[in-house]
Amino acid sequence: DSGVTQTPKHLITATGQRVTLRCSPRSGDLSVYWYQQSLDQGLQFLIQYYNGEERAKGNILERFSAQQFPDLHSELNLSSLELGDSALYFCASSGKDSTDTQYFGPGTRLTVL
Amino acid sequence: AQSVTQPDIHITVSEGASLELRCNYSYGATPYLFWYVQSPGQGLQLLLKYFSGDTLVQGIKGFEAEFKRSQSSFNLRKPSVHWSDAAEYFCAVLTGTASKLTFGTGTRLQVTL
Repeated sequence: DSGVTQTPKHLITATGQRVTLRCSPRSGDLSVYWYQQSLDQGLQFLIQYYNGEERAKGNILERFSAQQFPDLHSELNLSSLELGDSALYFCASSGKDSTDTQYFGPGTRLTVL
Repeated sequence: AQSVTQPDIHITVSEGASLELRCNYSYGATPYLFWYVQSPGQGLQLLLKYFSGDTLVQGIKGFEAEFKRSQSSFNLRKPSVHWSDAAEYFCAVLTGTASKLTFGTGTRLQVTL
């Protein structure tokens, strides 16, 4: 158990819909990262937040957005969903240094029908 | 741009045999390197990491990896594989400025009894 929690575990929805994925980092960690794992793209970095502020952006679509709240939990919002958004979405957290180890949550499996 | 190559998509070894998973990276500066393991339906668990110092690093579950700058490699090894080691293994490089992990495509390990 990494100490990072993600809810829900599974999500099934239809095209065009909007969903919210939630992540609680390890106690004391200030950074939260979101990654997408899909069969065709592999594991890709989406976005990083540090203590409530966006710090880095990767291959995140404009239909996707994220935020980190004062209690440091984070939400990833995916809208206008397409079939190709079906993937495993991981959250990771780390400490204040950029080189701190990232600990991953169990992931949320999103299926878009 | 940084990249990670795992040339072996799938490897099969017998239980008790030795294992070496290959990883090559491309990164201009001193790399921070990681190996993660993903069991079916699970998140990513950190096996080991290399930041600096001794080029042979020890990890959990009896794994070790050797950093070779001249070959841009960070191969993962285990002297005697157990059936429970069957999983997917990911090599990753951390880009210090962006704090994001860039992953290889993974190597799926199958262990025969």
